[in-house]
Amino acid sequence: QKEVEQNSGPLSVPEGAIASLNCTYSDRGSQSFFWYRQYSGKSPELIMSIYSNGDKEDGRFTAQLNKASQYVSLLIRDSQPSDSATYLCAASGSSASKIIFGSGTRLSIRP
Amino acid sequence: EPEVTQTPSHQVTQMGQEVILRCVPISNHLYFYWYRQILGQKVEFLVSFYNNEISEKSEIFDDQFSVERPDGSNFTLKIRSTKLEDSAMYFCASSEVTGRELFFGEGSRLTVL
Repeated sequence: QKEVEQNSGPLSVPEGAIASLNCTYSDRGSQSFFWYRQYSGKSPELIMSIYSNGDKEDGRFTAQLNKASQYVSLLIRDSQPSDSATYLCAASGSSASKIIFGSGTRLSIRP
Repeated sequence: EPEVTQTPSHQVTQMGQEVILRCVPISNHLYFYWYRQILGQKVEFLVSFYNNEISEKSEIFDDQFSVERPDGSNFTLKIRSTKLEDSAMYFCASSEVTGRELFFGEGSRLTVL
């Protein structure tokens, strides 16, 4: 069973600090990796995608991928209360016709 | 901005009844998906669909489930005989390229009594 693993949290970070979210995946054939944000009762919203090793930055968000370690991370700089949500890590399967999700990390930004 | 739309937003049904959940994917997307999320649990893959065929399905997607693209815009999920454990939020998603970014609809909450 191919899995995506995340620490469930909650992760509590002061406003203005950096939030660091981590994820590991088991399928070495995975090629595409994603971070989604999900507010309570809402649908997942895409934050970032990353396909190659290294860092990818988009505004306050930086995704990092290390395929050798099967590890994906998301950094959120200058955390805001509106960043409080559950963050879902996702990875494509070897066949690319499905994307599987981790169970999510709850992030709480305290004022 | 293009979006995935789902109907109904909430459906309550009796155990054993058939349910059809509807989705309109983003217009230039070719790959369609259904996921479900039981309250408090993870987003689970059900099925992917391309070119009028199922590409991949999970163990959850048994004979009680079926998907269809009845016309050029709609994508449906049918549950033939609902069980209590089918109560969940069902999300439709679409992507332009397989294995790339999924864009989700707002979800259809199914409550089976």
